[in-house]
Formats: sequence, C-alpha cells, structure tokens
Amino acid sequence: DQQVKQNSPSLSVQEGRISILNCDYTNSMFDYFLWYKKYPAEGPTFLISISSIKDKNEDGRFTVFLNKSAKHLSLHIVPSQPGDSAVYFCAASVTSGTYKYIFGTGTRLKVLA
Amino acid sequence: NAGVTQTPKFRVLKTGQSMTLLCAQDMNHEYMYWYRQDPGMGLRLIHYSVGEGTTAKGEVPDGYNVSRLKKQNFLLGLESAAPSQTSVYFCASSPNHLDQPQHFGDGTRLSIL
Repeated sequence: DQQVKQNSPSLSVQEGRISILNCDYTNSMFDYFLWYKKYPAEGPTFLISISSIKDKNEDGRFTVFLNKSAKHLSLHIVPSQPGDSAVYFCAASVTSGTYKYIFGTGTRLKVLA
Repeated sequence: NAGVTQTPKFRVLKTGQSMTLLCAQDMNHEYMYWYRQDPGMGLRLIHYSVGEGTTAKGEVPDGYNVSRLKKQNFLLGLESAAPSQTSVYFCASSPNHLDQPQHFGDGTRLSIL
C-alpha cells in the first residue's frame, strides 16, 4: 500500500511561470514532510520541509503547503527556472520513533525556456 | 566536506555473485539508510540503522544484508545476486531526529546479468 503518492509522473511548465507539484498521503500519523530534488546521476538533495503544526513554509522561490484534512501537500516554485528541471520526491515521517521516511514515486518537472 | 560517499559508483555482476556496497558519512550522523530506486517505484527502504551496531529491516529487505560496525560506515551486501536486484542504490544519513532531512550519496548503479 503506497502511503505517499505522487500521481503526476511528469509536468512541463514554461520558464517564469509557477510549477505546482502535488503529493497525497494516507497515514494520518505522518507529522513531518519533506521535498527532495534529484538530478540525473546524483543523489536526492533536500529542498524544503514542513511540520504538521504548520500549513505553509516558504524558502525563496519554494513554498510548501500542507492541508492536513485533505492529507495533501504541494510544492510551489515561482518563478520556475530551467535549472529547476529535475525529479521531485515528497517524503513523510512519523517523528515519534519509527525512524523511517516514506517516499513518493516522484514527479519529473521540465521547465521550458 | 564529503558528506555521504558511496563506492563503487557502477558495477556489473553475474547472477549468483556476491558483492558489498560501501557507504561512508563524515557528519557524525546516528541514522543511516539504504534505498533502491527503480523506475516508477520511487525510493524504497531496504535496511536502516539507528546507531552503531544496530540494523533493522525496511520495506524490501529480502536478498540483502547490512552491517554497521562503525558509526560512519553502513555496508549493504548481496550474498547471491539476482537480476531483480538490478537497480540504483542510494545510501542516506540523518541526525538522530526525524524532523531533520536525510543527506544522500550519489548512488551506485548495479546491473545483474
């Protein structure tokens, strides 16, 4: 059973526009959520995170929104740049001791110049 | 500052051969993880460790063994390689709090013929 789902395998966006990547989860115990970016032939790198006590976290061009009632989080990138083209993974954890992060299947973002 | 280093980066094995993948981190992190990434499957946890001398099974542990004899190293072993183990393997580490992001190595691409 996939506890963290990214239902869009790919997304194309024009440079300068907003990119919105979505992630749904089923486990209501998750209380910490992260987004990672992955370029080809490299490991994932941490992008931004959010705790379940918040509904929004912003870092420069990147904003993560959390809707706990819908069990949904989204990553907004604005403005999108060609260098943002990568695979984006969302991940979730239960901070009270399971020691594990559950990852989604990833969304490939292509920003068109 | 190297972060998380994985060796080797590439390897081709024949079915039935054995090998060990090495992960080393220089951040004094308590937690270490091994994942495999397959097309359309995201990152799946194989085994993890919450400290020196400890290991635990993740989602897909069958066919793999691990050891954490030193805090900075986490070894992943394949005793008898199978074609189904063809994948990209990522090692990650994190501090001993699950509200901290993981740091990933650049991966080992393993092909089993």
